[in-house]
Amino acid sequence: SYVLTQPPSVSVAPGQTASIACGGDNIGTKSVHWYQQRPGQAPVPVVHDDSDRPAGIPERFSGSNSGNTATLTISRVEAGDEADYYCQVWDTSSAHVVFGGGTKLTVL
Amino acid sequence: QEQLVQSGAEVKRPGASVTVSCKAAGYTLTDHYIHWVRQAPGQGLEWMGWINPNTGGTSFEQRFQGRVSMTRDTSISTVYMELTRLTSDDTAVYYCARDVYGDLGNWFDPWGQGTLVTVSS
Repeated sequence: SYVLTQPPSVSVAPGQTASIACGGDNIGTKSVHWYQQRPGQAPVPVVHDDSDRPAGIPERFSGSNSGNTATLTISRVEAGDEADYYCQVWDTSSAHVVFGGGTKLTVL
Repeated sequence: QEQLVQSGAEVKRPGASVTVSCKAAGYTLTDHYIHWVRQAPGQGLEWMGWINPNTGGTSFEQRFQGRVSMTRDTSISTVYMELTRLTSDDTAVYYCARDVYGDLGNWFDPWGQGTLVTVSS
């Protein structure tokens, strides 16, 4: 089955840029979606189809996808961005959904 | 406002079954696939499967095969997820989530608020 690998944690100072990677075999050929999950809340999409933002998501959130790595980038990080972030793809070979293990973003 | 509203928390004994409901509001249930995702305490998101509310068709993650079923009642815009032969490892928050377009393979929005299922003797 298809596997997505994320770093367990990323730390960044306020105002800086955070990059969260999501690794997978030829992930560049798939559409990658990203979710933000704050404690005690349901996940919320922040980037879909590699680099598009849902309505209401700040332009500070962006994404890219190429080769074996997709990346969620958060510019000008704020304290409110502290959360867990998950990548997700659709595995066409199994017709199933796959989530990455999640990355905890800490704002120092 | 399009939303999914889930049933309340459940406490079950090992070996029992649990059914969680997910009611669609603000849109037509049969226009979108619904997925179920669970999250054990302190752990990541785990996809369980999907249901096509229009046809009733389903597909499940291998590890849940034989223990999970997903059904729908279109008259009340509600889908259900039943998990049988519960163990303590099934203690988790269970979410339903809508596939944003009319087919599969897309992102999920909205998500239900989550239902905590606790399995304890």
